[in-house]
Amino acid sequence: GAGVSQSPRYKVAKRGQDVALRCDPISGHVSLFWYQQALGQGPEFLTYFQNEAQLDKSGLPSDRFFAERPEGSVSTLKIQRTQQEDSAVYLCASSATSGGYNEQFFGPGTRLTVL
Amino acid sequence: SQQGEEDPQALSIQEGENATMNCSYKTSINNLQWYRQNSGRGLVHLILIRSNEREKHSGRLRVTLDTSKKSSSLLITASRAADTASYFCAQTGNTGGFKTIFGAGTRLFVKA
Repeated sequence: GAGVSQSPRYKVAKRGQDVALRCDPISGHVSLFWYQQALGQGPEFLTYFQNEAQLDKSGLPSDRFFAERPEGSVSTLKIQRTQQEDSAVYLCASSATSGGYNEQFFGPGTRLTVL
Repeated sequence: SQQGEEDPQALSIQEGENATMNCSYKTSINNLQWYRQNSGRGLVHLILIRSNEREKHSGRLRVTLDTSKKSSSLLITASRAADTASYFCAQTGNTGGFKTIFGAGTRLFVKA
């Protein structure tokens, strides 16, 4: 595709439900990042993949958060037993090179609301 | 919070004026990037400056980097109403190179 796509764009979950957020990066991009953005704040790093390898998951806020990129392309961010504080926009970004050394291309985000 | 620091938090100017935003960081960096985010949308990359560079230009954008002060500034010249957006600096460290830390952002409003 022409850019990074994310689905769904909006997700409403009841507290305690599990959710899965999908990211389709730009084809051929090595790096994939997940961020969490609260209202009025900058994105906060969650995790990083280089191809299928999850090299940094230091930003995941709890063990309820899990991310995977099994074939080195599409990635899924899963949140188990959602809590109200998980409400935020979840952004995915991809980059042609490894690491954070070059431009990241962002998707439109998934806005998660936990009731 | 992992956020870097930016100032001002908000800036309101008239069309045609220049806008300057500042960013400070704490650890050594490999590079520093600036991104723009229009309301409710994803981020768009504006410019990247590497740690061994001091100034960079792209169209109406000028970025400076002072590694001794651990700070950067973004100047938008001859602003337009379409420049209204939030602007974020993002830093990637020298060690590991994976985690990108964004600032809290400057909200720029350009009045026509």
